[in-house]
Amino acid sequence: AQTVTQSQPEMSVQEAETVTLSCTYDTSESDYYLFWYKQPPSRQMILVIRQEAYKQQNATENRFSVNFQKAAKSFSLKISDSQLGDAAMYFCAYRKETSGSRLTFGEGTQLTVNP
Amino acid sequence: DGGITQSPKYLFRKEGQNVTLSCEQNLNHDAMYWYRQDPGQGLRLIYYSQIVNDFQKGDIAEGYSVSREKKESFPLTVTSAQKNPTAFYLCASSMGGFGNQPQHFGDGTRLSIL
Repeated sequence: AQTVTQSQPEMSVQEAETVTLSCTYDTSESDYYLFWYKQPPSRQMILVIRQEAYKQQNATENRFSVNFQKAAKSFSLKISDSQLGDAAMYFCAYRKETSGSRLTFGEGTQLTVNP
Repeated sequence: DGGITQSPKYLFRKEGQNVTLSCEQNLNHDAMYWYRQDPGQGLRLIYYSQIVNDFQKGDIAEGYSVSREKKESFPLTVTSAQKNPTAFYLCASSMGGFGNQPQHFGDGTRLSIL
């Protein structure tokens, strides 16, 4: 079974600084997808970024980028120029390629942004 | 606007009572999912459905039931057999069940015991 581990229950960053959230996963599959979701206090789940395992290039979405290390099964999220609105719980998630596959989530990292 | 609507936002259950959480989507998505989230924890899959009239158990299906009679709707019933139902419930949908399709989430329902 696939597992996703986020080893940092809480992180904090100063506004305008950069922070990296860690995620590791365990799988025997070669084709899969990885996601970072953000859950602000409103509890809505918002997709931040996704990475296809077959792509070597790291995904980037504006201030958000990932460091995908397939051999190490590592998928970290870097937030640059942190803003107060980035404060949220961040979840790393894994999904197999095959039809019907579902998301497996990590436990989450609570990010605090200090002004 | 297209999206996923969950209702009610807050729900209270009495002992021995079944309650049903509603999830409706107008995104024309094939696949729908129900997750449970406990405080400080990640999401755990309860049930999912790839097509109408078909659904599969997730990791924590005991005490829950679902139906998928229409593409747009995937209601979740929390039965009296679920002894610890207090949690935040999230419904999601995606275009097909393939891995590259991101899941879109509703705003959730918070269920509490009276």
